[in-house]
Amino acid sequence: ETGVTQTPRHLVMGMTNKKSLKCEQHLGHNAMYWYKQSAKKPLELMFVYSLEERVENNSVPSRFSPECPNSSHLFLHLHTLQPEDSALYLCASSQVVAGELFFGEGSRLTVL
Amino acid sequence: AQTVTQSQPEMSVQEAETVTLSCTYDTSESDYYLFWYKQPPSRQMILVIRQEAYKQQNATENRFSVNFQKAAKSFSLKISDSQLGDAAMYFCAYRSDTGNQFYFGTGTSLTVIP
Repeated sequence: ETGVTQTPRHLVMGMTNKKSLKCEQHLGHNAMYWYKQSAKKPLELMFVYSLEERVENNSVPSRFSPECPNSSHLFLHLHTLQPEDSALYLCASSQVVAGELFFGEGSRLTVL
Repeated sequence: AQTVTQSQPEMSVQEAETVTLSCTYDTSESDYYLFWYKQPPSRQMILVIRQEAYKQQNATENRFSVNFQKAAKSFSLKISDSQLGDAAMYFCAYRSDTGNQFYFGTGTSLTVIP
């Protein structure tokens, strides 16, 4: 495995379900990110984990809950989502200093 | 927060021709990094080219080059000898020299016409 791997690639869930997105990076990076990508909008940063500190976008609803157990793994726990949360969720990693982002292939989420 | 603007939602180019994608950004910082990312229909975003603001020389990567105008806060991407595989969404991004946040534009969808 190389790069940034996301699972599942596709997820359909009801508004009352609980599910999780998983991300793993094999690049030795020390920062990991969740982005939300919706059509016609800039990528929206949701959360950053860097050197065990978390930075979050205050506009992200509490129904999204991140978890970063170590520098290689990142989760996004989903609970009681809304249809407007349907989007492509991208995981990325980078070095803390000066590095570029390396992205996974994304998890396409559909909320019914 | 810094803002990144891509004013061309869609562009098209004939195969083998040259196309330029525009990007402007707003910042009060003097040190930062700029990137162009490509997202083909298969979705994975990949880095095309990066530019350090302290470098005056424009970055080049094979058929891809940038025109970095620091005073004008402009960072355009030139694709020479366009190929069918260049068809994708292109995103311009900014990263501060401090901090881990990246700021993205809304993207430009590039179509390559055979």
